[in-house]
Amino acid sequence: GAGVSQSPSNKVTEKGKDVELRCDPISGHTALYWYRQSLGQGLEFLIYFQGNSAPDKSGLPSDRFSAERTGGSVSTLTIQRTQQEDSAVYLCASSLVKGAHTEAFFGQGTRLTVV
Amino acid sequence: GQQVMQIPQYQHVQEGEDFTTYCNSSTTLSNIQWYKQRPGGHPVFLIQLVKSGEVKKQKRLTFQFGEAKKNSSLHITATQTTDVGTYFCAGCDDNNAGNMLTFGGGTRLMVKP
Repeated sequence: GAGVSQSPSNKVTEKGKDVELRCDPISGHTALYWYRQSLGQGLEFLIYFQGNSAPDKSGLPSDRFSAERTGGSVSTLTIQRTQQEDSAVYLCASSLVKGAHTEAFFGQGTRLTVV
Repeated sequence: GQQVMQIPQYQHVQEGEDFTTYCNSSTTLSNIQWYKQRPGGHPVFLIQLVKSGEVKKQKRLTFQFGEAKKNSSLHITATQTTDVGTYFCAGCDDNNAGNMLTFGGGTRLMVKP
């Protein structure tokens, strides 16, 4: 596709359930980021992938959060035993890391609501 | 690790007034980028600065990269209601994990018509 694609666009889940969020980066982009954004707030860094490896996963808020990336492409962010404080928009971004060209392209986000 | 800080966090201006947001990094950057996020939208790339002391303009927006490559600013002249949104800076530090971009906390601009 032409841009970063995230699915689902909206997800309502019951507290305690697991959710899986998907990100399809732009083809060929080696870097992939996950962020969380609460209403009116800034970008909370979660994890960064370079290829399939995650050099920086320091932002994952708890062990209920995990992420993987396979084939250097699609990434999934999994939240286990969701809590109400997990409600937010989860944004994915990818970039082509080549020389100084590191512009990040963001997806539309997944709005997660835990009820 | 690298930290990127932005001030102010919020700014209310009257339409026609100028606006400036400042970005400071704890480490020297190879480049700095600026993004704009409209309400309800996602961040969109505006510009990248690479050289020490570099200044770039986009219509009413002026971007500057500090001489030491540790700070940057975005100045909007004569704000309009279409400028409303959150402005993020993002720095790339060659010494961190694989050219990772680190985003600042953003400055939320509100413009009163």
